[in-house]
Amino acid sequence: EDQVTQSPEALRLQEGESSSLNCSYTVSGLRGLFWYRQDPGKGPEFLFTLYSAGEEKEKERLKATLTKKESFLHITAPKPEDSATYLCAVIQGAQKLVFGQGTRLTINP
Amino acid sequence: DADVTQTPRNRITKTGKRIMLECSQTKGHDRMYWYRQDPGLGLRLIYYSFDVKDINKGEISDGYSVSRQAQAKFSLSLESAIPNQTALYFCATSDLIGQGVSFGPGTRLTVL
Repeated sequence: EDQVTQSPEALRLQEGESSSLNCSYTVSGLRGLFWYRQDPGKGPEFLFTLYSAGEEKEKERLKATLTKKESFLHITAPKPEDSATYLCAVIQGAQKLVFGQGTRLTINP
Repeated sequence: DADVTQTPRNRITKTGKRIMLECSQTKGHDRMYWYRQDPGLGLRLIYYSFDVKDINKGEISDGYSVSRQAQAKFSLSLESAIPNQTALYFCATSDLIGQGVSFGPGTRLTVL
């Protein structure tokens, strides 16, 4: 069964303190891994798509990387506005996304 | 204007009532989805549709039904609402699945 597990469930950092969020997956033949950001009470917002091991994508203070078993979302020198829940998802079968439970990130000023 | 809109944004109803959540999109995507989000359980797929004549059950379809009225409209119904259907509901759309999905703003549903 395809599974996506994110860790930690919650992470609290000081402003400027870099860290990484983990997304472990088991899927037959990965065809895409996605990262989303979700603010409280709002819909998830697309961040990145990764397709193959070794691939990296960057956007401002965020960098996503992919291996054959997991993906990392690295946050460099975060700011309070980076506080959100970060969701990871993989394509299941031909047509659907399976999501992890998310990591709730809080950046204290 | 938002690409994916959901109505209502908030709804409080009573056990046993029938309710409908509506979703409209202007992205021109053929594929539409309904997800439910609960604390600690993440996003779970309820139903999905790849065109007007195609409806498919997701992992948690019991107690729900859907209607794809047009390419741009996809509604979710709870025939007889129960308290454990209290959740945040999201509509989403996609073109090719490899490009991910775009989410609406969500509907917060409370069943008393």
